[in-house]
Amino acid sequence: NAGVTQTPKFQVLKTGQSMTLQCAQDMNHEYMSWYRQDPGMGLRLIHYSVGAGITDQGEVPNGYNVSRSTTEDFPLRLLSAAPSQTSVYFCASSLTVNYGYTFGSGTRLTVV
Amino acid sequence: AQSVTQLDSQVPVFEEAPVELRCNYSSSVSVYLFWYVQYPNQGLQLLLKYLSGSTLVKGINGFEAEFNKSQTSFHLRKPSVHISDTAEYFCAVSDQTDKLIFGTGTRLQVFP
Repeated sequence: NAGVTQTPKFQVLKTGQSMTLQCAQDMNHEYMSWYRQDPGMGLRLIHYSVGAGITDQGEVPNGYNVSRSTTEDFPLRLLSAAPSQTSVYFCASSLTVNYGYTFGSGTRLTVV
Repeated sequence: AQSVTQLDSQVPVFEEAPVELRCNYSSSVSVYLFWYVQYPNQGLQLLLKYLSGSTLVKGINGFEAEFNKSQTSFHLRKPSVHISDTAEYFCAVSDQTDKLIFGTGTRLQVFP
């Protein structure tokens, strides 16, 4: 099993550009979440999903969109990148919220 | 809304000494509690979790945590640490709203 796969691993964007961070899992998990990790701030929840077709906002959703058309995939879209979105992004999945999340290896995004 | 406070941003300790990493949570309802570990340049791994029942929870790598409802705490302990335990440790809480919220993390540095 591949677990949770995130692509790309590294990305540099110019301010105003858009891009999609990809996340896929092969464990048939219903729950999927996106977090951003910044020094001294821990992990902050951006968006989460409890199943295909169902998404909701987390703690810091502004500037990001998500959709969940299949159980396996949960892409994160940056509509117009800003330097404040420079961060490491983690995707995670779980059977349920109390099962324990499996994390991907992260995408390091720099916006210049 | 639930929240998590990790009181120590860094904990230095010598090898084979005991360690305690502190975590306090805020929630008005029953919670699920988790500890995750992040080794350098990696994603997060689940160390242990408390869902219900016994307040002392044992996890991987010799770690354990104790749930204290009256103190709203979930401190992580290990009786004797190794160099390989050097990592960042995150406490997380879910109050059954499908969201998993993380603390800001504690960096454990083990010295020889």
